[in-house]
Amino acid sequence: NAGVTQTPKFRILKIGQSMTLQCTQDMNHNYMYWYRQDPGMGLKLIYYSVGAGITDKGEVPNGYNVSRSTTEDFPLRLELAAPSQTSVYFCASMSGGYSQTQYFGPGTRLLVL
Amino acid sequence: RKEVEQDPGPFNVPEGATVAFNCTYSNSASQSFFWYRQDCRKEPKLLMSVYSSGNEDGRFTAQLNRASQYISLLIRDSKLSDSATYLCAVNSRGNNDMRFGAGTRLTVKP
Repeated sequence: NAGVTQTPKFRILKIGQSMTLQCTQDMNHNYMYWYRQDPGMGLKLIYYSVGAGITDKGEVPNGYNVSRSTTEDFPLRLELAAPSQTSVYFCASMSGGYSQTQYFGPGTRLLVL
Repeated sequence: RKEVEQDPGPFNVPEGATVAFNCTYSNSASQSFFWYRQDCRKEPKLLMSVYSSGNEDGRFTAQLNRASQYISLLIRDSKLSDSATYLCAVNSRGNNDMRFGAGTRLTVKP
């Protein structure tokens, strides 16, 4: 199993550009999450999903959108990039139920200039 | 007040030392508690869950104090390889919403 994979690993965007951060998991987990981590800070939840077709906002959803058309994929969309969105983005998945261990992808480093 | 708070450190300790971190949480209805380890420029990885009765995994001991709303992590006989940032995580709304602390940075020196 590859676990949780994210692409790209690193990206530079200009202000106002759009992009999609990809996240795929092959563990058949129902729960998936998107976090951002600013330097020296903890993880802040952007959006999460409890299953295909179901998404919900986290702490910091503004400026982002998500979709969950399949169990495996949970892409994060930035429509109009702003410098405040410069961060490291982590995707995570969790099987749910008794197990609440979150498995994280390697992250995407995004720089908005 | 932040939902989950940690002393950011850094904690600089010599090899073999015992070091302890605390993490406080504000939501008294919090149900599940975890410690994650994050190496520099890497993703967080689960170190251990924290059970009500406390639990131990080798050199690591985690404890929960519901009355005072904090969890702790004790590392005994510190190794150089323990150098990392330790994040606490609290699940306050069932399975759907995990909140993380900002992390405590530990450096173990020879």
